[in-house]
Amino acid sequence: DAKTTQPPSMDCAEGRAANLPCNHSTISGNEYVYWYRQIHSQGPQYIIHGLKNNETNEMASLIITEDRKSSTLILPHATLRDTAVYYCIVSLLYSGGGADGLTFGKGTHLIIQP
Amino acid sequence: DAGVTQSPTHLIKTRGQQVTLRCSPKSGHDTVSWYQQALGQGPQFIFQYYEEEERQRGNFPDRFSGHQFPNYSSELNVNALLLGDSALYLCASSLDGTGGYYGYTFGSGTRLTVV
Repeated sequence: DAKTTQPPSMDCAEGRAANLPCNHSTISGNEYVYWYRQIHSQGPQYIIHGLKNNETNEMASLIITEDRKSSTLILPHATLRDTAVYYCIVSLLYSGGGADGLTFGKGTHLIIQP
Repeated sequence: DAGVTQSPTHLIKTRGQQVTLRCSPKSGHDTVSWYQQALGQGPQFIFQYYEEEERQRGNFPDRFSGHQFPNYSSELNVNALLLGDSALYLCASSLDGTGGYYGYTFGSGTRLTVV
């Protein structure tokens, strides 16, 4: 079973920030939070990951609460091309950088409205 | 730079038959994972191959088997097909030791329909 809980769907206006929440209350101390997204008819695409500090890259920002029981993925200026299913995943990250097979839930279907 | 390539893109098989799906990883990648995605569900991990060996396996029966070749490409074999095996089969690749840092690169999948 997936270790995360996400809302099934969300809407966001084009140009606005999209904030996608994720609960992972049973996360262990050495598990990371990963976000992937899947645009219709494509395979999932890696977005970002983090352990306990906030992270930012060219695609998004990841905010993890201090107790690490929840996190939020932020797309700062959403476009129509950001319409996709977003998956929040917790997984071990080994010291060499390897990772286990991913356990996907049902994700959040984000719809960007024009 | 080619990403992950999967073939065929679509396939129709009859219940009880066997099927082989193929995956070429992204250039420079040496680790291949396979996932099954039923309609409306998230992908489910089948297994991961590295150095031609199955390194990790999800909760799938022995009807699902795989192989990795010296050039890192991989095959997924499913025997005795059931109607419930109808799904999108995804291949993901990474350079060993970096899948956790940079994420896995997924192909667009093979749509298998069992009738």
